[in-house]
Amino acid sequence: DAKTTQPPSMDCAEGRAANLPCNHSTISGNEYVYWYRQIHSQGPQYIIHGLKNNETNEMASLIITEDRKSSTLILPHATLRDTAVYYCIVRVASGPQEKETSGSRLTFGEGTQLTVNP
Amino acid sequence: NAGVTQTPKFRVLKTGQSMTLLCAQDMNHEYMYWYRQDPGMGLRLIHYSVGEGTTAKGEVPDGYNVSRLKKQNFLLGLESAAPSQTSVYFCASSIRLAGTGANVLTFGAGSRLTVL
Repeated sequence: DAKTTQPPSMDCAEGRAANLPCNHSTISGNEYVYWYRQIHSQGPQYIIHGLKNNETNEMASLIITEDRKSSTLILPHATLRDTAVYYCIVRVASGPQEKETSGSRLTFGEGTQLTVNP
Repeated sequence: NAGVTQTPKFRVLKTGQSMTLLCAQDMNHEYMYWYRQDPGMGLRLIHYSVGEGTTAKGEVPDGYNVSRLKKQNFLLGLESAAPSQTSVYFCASSIRLAGTGANVLTFGAGSRLTVL
């Protein structure tokens, strides 16, 4: 799996966009980029994932560079409740035929602690 | 639809005691996982299962055993607890998204275990 690099911490003002970077320079063509977050003491929560194209859902937007070596998670209007550790994970896609033995596992690094300030 | 439910939420053990953590999911997911998280650190995969009756080792399997006798349940056992196993344990389940190969995990709320 490609290794990811994230800044250990970031601050953002409430109501402003939070842009969380992730470097994954060794990513291969069949690896997805996933973002999860973990609010203090809770289980991690899925946010978004992408392969090549930019993606958007009700929680966030994911911008993947054309060479796929980095990505940015964007929370368009950060609130205090968005304060959490954000994990960027790269993982190969699961095979469609086999009983998946490797693609289903995600390795969580230390992530970025995002603090949204009032 | 409860998602992923872990029991118990808290437990205190003495060194050498045994216990089982139960994870139940009602989403008909094929894959299930047990992670542990130590203070200030990311999650580390202990064991996982790709289907009923199957289990496999993750990054840190020593000292733990697992069973997946029913598709909806994944049990994590500690046969002889040690203080180094004091941690927060998270269970997760997932399904491969049709047509993409992506795999999205749903986590439980965690089980906090203290071994004295």
